[in-house]
Amino acid sequence: AQKITQTQPGMFVQEKEAVTLDCTYDTSDQSYGLFWYKQPSSGEMIFLIYQGSYDEQNATEGRYSLNFQKARKSANLVISASQLGDSAMYFCAMREADSNYQLIWGAGTKLIIKP
Amino acid sequence: AAGVIQSPRHLIKEKRETATLKCYPIPRHDTVYWYQQGPGQDPQFLISFYEKMQSDKGSIPDRFSAQQFSDYHSELNMSSLELGDSALYFCASRTSPRGRGTEAFFGQGTRLTVV
Repeated sequence: AQKITQTQPGMFVQEKEAVTLDCTYDTSDQSYGLFWYKQPSSGEMIFLIYQGSYDEQNATEGRYSLNFQKARKSANLVISASQLGDSAMYFCAMREADSNYQLIWGAGTKLIIKP
Repeated sequence: AAGVIQSPRHLIKEKRETATLKCYPIPRHDTVYWYQQGPGQDPQFLISFYEKMQSDKGSIPDRFSAQQFSDYHSELNMSSLELGDSALYFCASRTSPRGRGTEAFFGQGTRLTVV
């Protein structure tokens, strides 16, 4: 079974609009971490935001926020006021408690921002 | 700020050749992770090291080996290369394999092409 599911293979969004990238996860651990990474066409993997399973507040980092709904096991990434430079692949990843920080990755969502 | 350095950035090898990928983690980071990302795929965990000891093993082929040296840099050795080994190879580092709230910093990757 997929541990991380990103249901949107690709998205087109108008510049300056907000965008939500979906991520659902599957784990039986009580302690885990959820991550979002951005991968531009140049290939590097850029850390965006982290949410711990025990964090009560949704994580925010500048224009990025994570809509964490623990009961639904979802960790959607919200990008406010999208910019052309946000065009990239976005990966959701999870670290389980006993994984020694091995990240489990979703298939990614390709986001294209239209001018 | 210092980041994770990977070398080389690009590598072209022929089938059955060997390749060595190097990773220099962020200073004072004691844990290194290797991931393989095939074209259009999500990253797959290969292997990790903590304090120069192998800490976890993923889908690393037997033809590959890796180690972490006394200065914490790591090398991924790949022998008998196959066309399917063509991929982007990421190294990531962090400090301490346990504890919450710390993200892994990724290098820019080595793009290996096997011809």
